Amino acid sequence: KQEVTQIPAALSVPEGENLVLNCSFTDSAIYNLQWFRQDPGKGLTSLLLIQSSQREQTSGRLNASLDKSSGRSTLYIAASQPGDSATYLCAVFSGNTPLVFGKGTRLSVIA
Amino acid sequence: ETGVTQSPTHLIKTRGQQVTLRCSSQSGHNTVSWYQQALGQGPQFIFQYYREEENGRGNFPPRFSGLQFPNYSSELNVNALELDDSALYLCASSLESGTGGGYTFGSGTRLTVV
Repeated sequence: KQEVTQIPAALSVPEGENLVLNCSFTDSAIYNLQWFRQDPGKGLTSLLLIQSSQREQTSGRLNASLDKSSGRSTLYIAASQPGDSATYLCAVFSGNTPLVFGKGTRLSVIA
Repeated sequence: ETGVTQSPTHLIKTRGQQVTLRCSSQSGHNTVSWYQQALGQGPQFIFQYYREEENGRGNFPPRFSGLQFPNYSSELNVNALELDDSALYLCASSLESGTGGGYTFGSGTRLTVV
């Protein structure tokens, strides 16, 4: 059974810092991994989708990497801003099974 | 291209009642899945519909049921509501079941059972 773990559970950083969020999964037989952002009480916004054949994806100040063999992904946020404050969730997709989510990392960027 | 739309946004129900939540999938998507997210937790898979047939179900009791319509919109029905059913319910659509093209989520329905 696939399990996804995200570390740290919460993170507070000053504005401008570069930061890394970690995601690990137990079964490396995945099709892809997706990072989402969730604002309090709101739905999920897709940030980056990495296919199993890819090593990384970039969008603006965000860069996500995938090491399938070791069951790890990282989300790198450059030059953090207060508007980046949210919960970041990673989820893995393994074919016909549903998305399996971690519990998320709650990020606070202090101005 | 429209995204995933869920209604209502908020709902308060009494224990024992029944509720129906609705979801319109993103244009071109034929797979819809539903998730329950308790406070401070990651979303948990309820079930998935592909071309109007249920093709996957998580660890939820039968009082959680669903439908998908020919236009690929979907409903989640919950009977005999319990206090623990209070959560954010998320609908997601994708292009094809199993192709890994990524999921698009709606804004969710916040259900409170009192």
